[in-house]
Amino acid sequence: DTEVTQTPKHLVMGMTNKKSLKCEQHMGHRAMYWYKQKAKKPPELMFVYSYEKLSINESVPSRFSPECPNSSLLNLHLHALQPEDSALYLCASSQLLGLVRETQYFGPGTRLLVL
Amino acid sequence: AQTVTQSQPEMSVQEAETVTLSCTYDTSESDYYLFWYKQPPSRQMILVIRQEAYKQQNATENRFSVNFQKAAKSFSLKISDSQLGDAAMYFCAYRSALNDMRFGAGTRLTVKP
Repeated sequence: DTEVTQTPKHLVMGMTNKKSLKCEQHMGHRAMYWYKQKAKKPPELMFVYSYEKLSINESVPSRFSPECPNSSLLNLHLHALQPEDSALYLCASSQLLGLVRETQYFGPGTRLLVL
Repeated sequence: AQTVTQSQPEMSVQEAETVTLSCTYDTSESDYYLFWYKQPPSRQMILVIRQEAYKQQNATENRFSVNFQKAAKSFSLKISDSQLGDAAMYFCAYRSALNDMRFGAGTRLTVKP
């Protein structure tokens, strides 16, 4: 069974707020991902966490901060966001075979609105 | 850099008919994987089908099948006996053995009753 859960489903926040998005998977996957998806666009990779190491898309601003408390949890901390950060945030996970990150399975997403 | 192109922003099909969604990609790598994901209005990205580049046989999953032409770098998705629940945005994606996934721009599929 493939299941990635994300909370909350919807989030409205002001530009001065601090909030966190949570992602959890129980498939024993060792790689997890955060994507940002604007309306009518494909997902854009923000972060990859695998083998306890974080890979960052260097175009992602520092107001987004990922945290991986353990291999099944991946959080995304949000601080001082801008209205253009409003988007659907998707979490995904995949198995690892050596250095290869296998097929990704996605969560339902968090719809974020920044006012 | 690898690129994935979906040249059909929108497609429409009559219920029970067959539709083919196009995808081409550009790569210099020999070992890679191709995917079709479906994203219905519920927003969840759902894996439809995957193809390993080293396999010549086209992947099939029930009503979904692909036409993988490695030399032409083409990876189309055929949906047979289309159902209303097939209406969604479909994304073609490419992943090499060591690099992360790249998505095409997507094709919005409408299914007419």
